[in-house]
Amino acid sequence: AQSVSQHNHHVILSEAASLELGCNYSYGGTVNLFWYVQYPGQHLQLLLKYFSGDPLVKGIKGFEAEFIKSKFSFNLRKPSVQWSDTAEYFCAVIDRGSTLGRLYFGRGTQLTVWP
Amino acid sequence: NAGVTQTPKFQVLKTGQSMTLQCAQDMNHEYMSWYRQDPGMGLRLIHYSVGAGITDQGEVPNGYNVSRSTTEDFPLRLLSAAPSQTSVYFCASSYGQEDSPLHFGNGTRLTVT
Repeated sequence: AQSVSQHNHHVILSEAASLELGCNYSYGGTVNLFWYVQYPGQHLQLLLKYFSGDPLVKGIKGFEAEFIKSKFSFNLRKPSVQWSDTAEYFCAVIDRGSTLGRLYFGRGTQLTVWP
Repeated sequence: NAGVTQTPKFQVLKTGQSMTLQCAQDMNHEYMSWYRQDPGMGLRLIHYSVGAGITDQGEVPNGYNVSRSTTEDFPLRLLSAAPSQTSVYFCASSYGQEDSPLHFGNGTRLTVT
């Protein structure tokens, strides 16, 4: 089974700082990749996804992520964070051809943005 | 469009009590699932269903039962609650393909004393 590593457990930034959250999965093969976000007191919602094609994908609210197959990574980036980006971010991976019962989440990264 | 609806939002149980967490979706999604979210552990899949009458175990199924009699509903049953089941529970649904994003409910915060 895949495992997903999010090495940053808690990231604290000031507004306008740049953000990069790491996500690595455990082994190769063809995968689909997701980033979900959970704002305080809310449910998870999809931020962006990668299935194929351009490895640089853009999501909502100015977020983007880059898939680097050779590094088994799918890092999330944002050039300039806002206070409203304070949330928990989850990376998720599924092997192509699997059922959604084999979608694996990382442990999450809490992002705190100070105004 | 209600999406995924979970009830209750909060629940406190004593050890050994039973209860059912309700989940309903109105998007005609074939796939439904239950996750638990614990600090530092992320989301762990408890049970899932790929259609009415079909269920399967996820990563942490012990202590939980599910059934799927209709496409819309996917209740999660705790037969004998334990303090280790204190957690936030999320129901999620999707069309079921591997590239289908999950739609999550608002969660149920369960405390077992």
